[in-house]
Amino acid sequence: GAVVSQHPSWVICKSGTSVKIECRSLDFQATTMFWYRQFPKQSLMLMATSNEGSKATYEQGVEKDKFLINHASLTLSTLTVTSAHPEDSSFYICSAPRQVDNSPLHFGNGTRLTVT
Amino acid sequence: KQEVTQIPAALSVPEGENLVLNCSFTDSAIYNLQWFRQDPGKGLTSLLLIQSSQREQTSGRLNASLDKSSGRSTLYIAASQPGDSATYLCAADQGGKLIFGQGTELSVKP
Repeated sequence: GAVVSQHPSWVICKSGTSVKIECRSLDFQATTMFWYRQFPKQSLMLMATSNEGSKATYEQGVEKDKFLINHASLTLSTLTVTSAHPEDSSFYICSAPRQVDNSPLHFGNGTRLTVT
Repeated sequence: KQEVTQIPAALSVPEGENLVLNCSFTDSAIYNLQWFRQDPGKGLTSLLLIQSSQREQTSGRLNASLDKSSGRSTLYIAASQPGDSATYLCAADQGGKLIFGQGTELSVKP
């Protein structure tokens, strides 16, 4: 079964509003989670590294004031797209490493965001 | 900066063929190399993970190899089936941060 849960799976919002996406590790603690974005017909690009109890680390070109990341507990990281615009429409997906073994990174099922 | 490239970008084969997907990376300092499958509009399904100290991994009809010195990995799919149609992504793991290739879109015709 899924070990990383991402919610919602899809969301449609109006331009200018904010959207929050949740990523939960279900049966393990994740001090670090990763957020990726995938535009249509493109590959996944790392946006930021979410660190429990500290500030997120953003990749070059990603606006930290627009994509707010909060990792307030060992099982939950949230990504908030603030003042969303149509160009933010994309597929957002999170992952969490299960650091107790060499298992692959576990991914959520992704969130399809459409901004109208 | 790590760059990952996949060739070909798209591939169409008749059912039953064996095929090879290629992945190259520029920085050999990786923890592991992973192959994923992505169906249209869906998330990722992990297929194989090759640790940096390993040369290959096998799962069913899938075999992935890794040559760190040359910066290459291949995914071999034996006896392809229409259900294998999807986009295949390789990713270099640099401490949990995955750098993805652009993917190979595979279509297996019945």
